[in-house]
Amino acid sequence: QKEVEQNSGPLSVPEGAIASLNCTYSDRGSQSFFWYRQYSGKSPELIMSIYSNGDKEDGRFTAQLNKASQYVSLLIRDSQPSDSATYLCALISSGSARQLTFGSGTQLTVLP
Amino acid sequence: NAGVTQTPKFQVLKTGQSMTLQCAQDMNHNSMYWYRQDPGMGLRLIYYSASEGTTDKGEVPNGYNVSRLNKREFSLRLESAAPSQTSVYFCASSDYGYTFGSGTRLTVV
Repeated sequence: QKEVEQNSGPLSVPEGAIASLNCTYSDRGSQSFFWYRQYSGKSPELIMSIYSNGDKEDGRFTAQLNKASQYVSLLIRDSQPSDSATYLCALISSGSARQLTFGSGTQLTVLP
Repeated sequence: NAGVTQTPKFQVLKTGQSMTLQCAQDMNHNSMYWYRQDPGMGLRLIYYSASEGTTDKGEVPNGYNVSRLNKREFSLRLESAAPSQTSVYFCASSDYGYTFGSGTRLTVV
């Protein structure tokens, strides 16, 4: 079982809709969770971090964490064509000295 | 305001050739990392350095060596390149959050 699992997609949503990206993980001791956005040919950039169960909102982005279900999600409200990118879920495993472990990413396309 | 600088941006090698990928950060971060990214595989950790003078293997270290030259610089060396090392390589540094370099696109033919 992969440490971080993401649906590779592609996921397509119409402009203005809510995009929902999901991630599950296997290490129950993981404490820190991150969502990165990566445009084609570019490097990953951090968009959200979450450490506690519940929701964390930042503008149009909401990260959700459920440690009991080992599940992290990212919601993008009012999706824009500029949100079209690959979204990478990442975490810091227990005992890993802060190395990030990444999922394989979900490709999102927002259709005008 | 450079952040993390990687060189070169593109490289084509022949099988068996060697090369060094350079990485430098100007944010005074203690930790530095080398990742490779292959289609459908996400980013996989090759080596990391938690502080100046220390290096440790990550998930996929075979075929690579690293040097933490000083606090700013962390290089990745391919001693004898193989086609399986064709990938995009990212260097990153962190104090708390990660900052990535722009990547090196390496093709081994």
